[in-house]
Amino acid sequence: EVHLVESGGGLVQPGESLRLSCADSGFSFSSYWMSWVRQAPGKGLEWVAIIKEDGSEIHYVASVKGRFTISRDSAQNSMYLQMSSLRVEDTAVYFCAAGEGWTGSYWGQGTLVTVSS
Amino acid sequence: EIVLTQSPGTLSLSPGERATLSCRASQSIGNNYLAWYQKKPGQPPRLLIDDAYSRAAGIPDRFSGSGSGTDFTLTITRLEPEDFAVYYCQQCATPPLTFGGGTKVEIK
Repeated sequence: EVHLVESGGGLVQPGESLRLSCADSGFSFSSYWMSWVRQAPGKGLEWVAIIKEDGSEIHYVASVKGRFTISRDSAQNSMYLQMSSLRVEDTAVYFCAAGEGWTGSYWGQGTLVTVSS
Repeated sequence: EIVLTQSPGTLSLSPGERATLSCRASQSIGNNYLAWYQKKPGQPPRLLIDDAYSRAAGIPDRFSGSGSGTDFTLTITRLEPEDFAVYYCQQCATPPLTFGGGTKVEIK
């Protein structure tokens, strides 16, 4: 059974950095596209980034390009989101998702990132 | 960027009734790569429908998807108490993989 667990969320000040992790257990991590989706308090879902099974293809939403970096480590069965120059508007619950294509078939429970001074 | 517009914003219905949710795209979605998710507070999204009409594993057959091009529909034939939630469509054809704004299905 697929089981994704996010970690690394917390409270940071504007301009600071944070790295989120998404670890899997129970499925073939290297067979899936992995993505990050966030939900700001009281708002809808926003797709953030996606990375191919082998890491050779990556896409970002415009608002995080140049500030966020998605990566994965098959040896660790983990995916990461390095977030820099954080803004108040980046405050959200961040979910990781996995799928055979670009659809999110499997999801973690999410980790809360709060950017506030 | 493909913009997805969901309507209505809120749907007030009773258990047992039929729910029809709309998702309209600003341009045609290639290969009808349109997904529907259910979202409840404190829970992650749950994939319901993939590729416009393919039910995901374990999803009851009261959920169905239809449509093509720019107009898509999620239908819940008989609402169960656990179906009251927010529903999102997402286009998975062209990055950025945008979501619609959501439709809240609430108990009347």
